[in-house]
Order: sequence, then structure tokens, then C-alpha cells
Amino acid sequence: GAVVSQHPSRVICKSGTSVKIECRSLDFQATTMFWYRQFPKQSLMLMATSNEGSKATYEQGVEKDKFLINHASLTLSTLTVTSAHPEDSSFYICSASLHPDGYTFGSGTRLTVV
Amino acid sequence: KQEVTQIPAALSVPEGENLVLNCSFTDSAIYNLQWFRQDPGKGLTSLLLIQSSQREQTSGRLNASLDKSSGRSTLYIAASQPGDSATYLCAGTGANSKLTFGKGITLSVRP
Repeated sequence: GAVVSQHPSRVICKSGTSVKIECRSLDFQATTMFWYRQFPKQSLMLMATSNEGSKATYEQGVEKDKFLINHASLTLSTLTVTSAHPEDSSFYICSASLHPDGYTFGSGTRLTVV
Repeated sequence: KQEVTQIPAALSVPEGENLVLNCSFTDSAIYNLQWFRQDPGKGLTSLLLIQSSQREQTSGRLNASLDKSSGRSTLYIAASQPGDSATYLCAGTGANSKLTFGKGITLSVRP
């Protein structure tokens, strides 16, 4: 089936640095990808919709300058957390649309900012 | 705005028991409903997808139903096993193609 590969699975960074998370669709082309954030024991919250070749669409309350999204090809979308702070520590997951067959998700990235 | 609710938040059952996980949604105009499994610290694995025109889908010991008129979906797990222990999330796709998730039900199957 359609697989989305997400890397890294875990990252620890110092406060003030930037971290890039990659999501690749391995055996299909993903025109649209989605980035979610998940807090402990909470549901997934959509951060932004990433469209290949155009600017991402951010959900209300998500800082676009803080969370930079690039979708330069049909198989790669990246999320860069800029000037990370401890409150950015969270679990980030990407997904791709398999319209009309639902969505497939990456394995997630645990970000810890110290 | 679509809201998805999963109650209870946690469930513990003995091995071998058949069980039903519930999911309710407020907007019946969903495009499809998808059930996922999430193991601790991991991503989401798709279990079953029900299109809006369908009533149910089956895969192995899993059966998911969808009743748009009542705003409900259920995931039935037959003959539960300890390996079924995980968090189960339901999510509805709206007309805007965005998924709205419930908070999930954490299932523990005791040997």
C-alpha cells in the first residue's frame, strides 16, 4: 500500500535552533500533504495543508513563520520548526491524501527542545 | 464545525472478549470516516475506511459501521487479543477534505 516515510523519528535540539522534519511518499505522488501536531493523550490537531508547488495553507493560530512548510516535489514535504522553544516540544505527524481512499500517515517525529 | 467524540477515553477488557468502540460526529455531511490505530510513540495505521455511501467495512476481526443519520460509527473487534492493545482513533473527512479526529480510545486487552 501507499507509504509515507517520515524522518527523523526522534530529535532533541537546543532552544533557539531550527529543526527540519521530512515526509516522503514512497510509491505514489502526493499532491497534498498535511501536517499535524499531537500533545500527550490528545487528538491530532491539523497545523497546515501543504500543496506541491504552492504556498501552504495554515490553520488558525498556527504561526507560518514559525512552522515553515515546503512541498517542492510530488514526493517530498518538509516542516521546519524555526527558533524552537521548549513549548514546541511535541509529536509531529504528516499525512498524504489517497483520495478517494482516505489518508495514509507517517510514523511521526518526537521533538524535544531543551 | 465538525466535532468528533469518542467515549470512553480508555477501556480494559479480558482477552477473547468481543468489543465495540464508539465514535460520534456532529456534522452528517462527511465524505468518509476512517478508523486508525496508534501505538505509543508511533504514527497512525489505517484500519478501515467507510465511504459516505457505505454502511460498513470488514477486515479480518474488525468491522466498522457508519450511520450518517445518527452521526455514529462503531468499530467492532472480535475475539480481542493482547496485541490489539493500542489507541483507536476515528476521523471524519469533511467537504473541505480535512480530517477531524476524535481524541481516541485507549484499549488494553488483558491476557
